Amino acid sequence: QVHLQQWGAGLLKPSETLSLTCSLSGGSFGGYYWSWIRQSPGEGLEWIGEINDNGITNYSPSLNSRVSMSLDTSKNHFSLRLTSVTAADTAVYYCARTVGAFNVWGQGTLVTVSS
Amino acid sequence: QYVLTQPPAVSAAPGQRVTISCSGSSSNIGNNYVAWYQQLPGTAPKLLMFENSKRPSGIPDRFSGSRSGTSATLAITGLQTGDEADYHCGTWDTDLNGWVFGGGTKLTVL
Repeated sequence: QVHLQQWGAGLLKPSETLSLTCSLSGGSFGGYYWSWIRQSPGEGLEWIGEINDNGITNYSPSLNSRVSMSLDTSKNHFSLRLTSVTAADTAVYYCARTVGAFNVWGQGTLVTVSS
Repeated sequence: QYVLTQPPAVSAAPGQRVTISCSGSSSNIGNNYVAWYQQLPGTAPKLLMFENSKRPSGIPDRFSGSRSGTSATLAITGLQTGDEADYHCGTWDTDLNGWVFGGGTKLTVL
């Protein structure tokens, strides 16, 4: 059974860089895209971007200038970096497997940006 | 704010039927598959429906999905208190070259 376990810093100051990692178990990276999605408090879902095992990425136009993703098959994990964070980036961040839909999700990580 | 439009909230009594709508455009729902996600309080979203009307393994047939033109609908019959959750629709947007969602609909089972 495919499982995603994520971790990363939960409290950041404005202008710092958000860094999250998602570990894959029970499956392989091949044949899928791997996404990051966030949900601000009380709001809906927002797709941040995706990466596949060939390193091909696709980012949301609204976050493209601040986002980067990487995938390490040897460590069985993929990562998100979001630079120059502000309070507007406060959200629960999820990693997810993408295959026409998001069919496996991580547990979520609350990231709070506050001075 | 959201590319897809959902009603903020719906409600119905236990045992009843409820529908949740999701409206978009030709660049998203009109030409791409729609998925629905159920998010129970305090948990991560869970895939409920994919390719407009297909249920993943383990999802009961009380849940059904459909698409017509640039709109999609999720229907839930035989409502149970355990169905209280937020429901999100999502699809690919060809013009934006990315995944888009609705704002979510909170279902209350009275």
